[in-house]
Amino acid sequence: AQKVTQAQTEISVVEKEDVTLDCVYETRDTTYYLFWYKQPPSGELVFLIRRNSFDEQNEISGRYSWNFQKSTSSFNFTITASQVVDSAVYFCALSGTGTASKLTFGTGTRLQVTL
Amino acid sequence: GAVVSQHPSRVICKSGTSVKIECRSLDFQATTMFWYRQFPKQSLMLMATSNEGSKATYEQGVEKDKFLINHASLTLSTLTVTSAHPEDSSFYICSASSTYKSEQFFGPGTRLTVL
Repeated sequence: AQKVTQAQTEISVVEKEDVTLDCVYETRDTTYYLFWYKQPPSGELVFLIRRNSFDEQNEISGRYSWNFQKSTSSFNFTITASQVVDSAVYFCALSGTGTASKLTFGTGTRLQVTL
Repeated sequence: GAVVSQHPSRVICKSGTSVKIECRSLDFQATTMFWYRQFPKQSLMLMATSNEGSKATYEQGVEKDKFLINHASLTLSTLTVTSAHPEDSSFYICSASSTYKSEQFFGPGTRLTVL
């Protein structure tokens, strides 16, 4: 069975602070995908990143960066210089690599960025 | 590319009525569609997986007679909540994937309120 744990339920930061959202996963699959999604108050899921289990390179996209550590089964997400528009719920998710693979979501981390 | 739409975006109905939600892949053929339910401040929970032309596979605990899923074409899946009750009030999100697009693309969601 697959499991994704996001231990941080809510995080509150002041604008311009850096913030890291933690994600720990469990799977018996040898190949899998890891994802991060953003869900603003409107409810629509916004895709942020997909990482293949073979690719352990860290990735940076603007103010966003991801740290994938297979040894600790973690896929953490860091927002640098946070902004109010970053306020949302962020979900980490895991799936197999087949076309009909189910996505298993973590419980989400609510990020509140204030001025 | 990879746009998924849902209709309606919001629906309010009386207890006991049935509600149909449509999920369409606008620019690709979706061989597999997924239906998720999200209660307030909770994560997305997979309800069922449907493959075009075949019966949906429901997750444990999801009543197939209550949540009717039809995936009659490669671009359309429908979820019908039969005899809706207030406890069915939730945010319903669909996603679609295909043979050529292994990741899931999410619709904007439908907020159902049952009075």
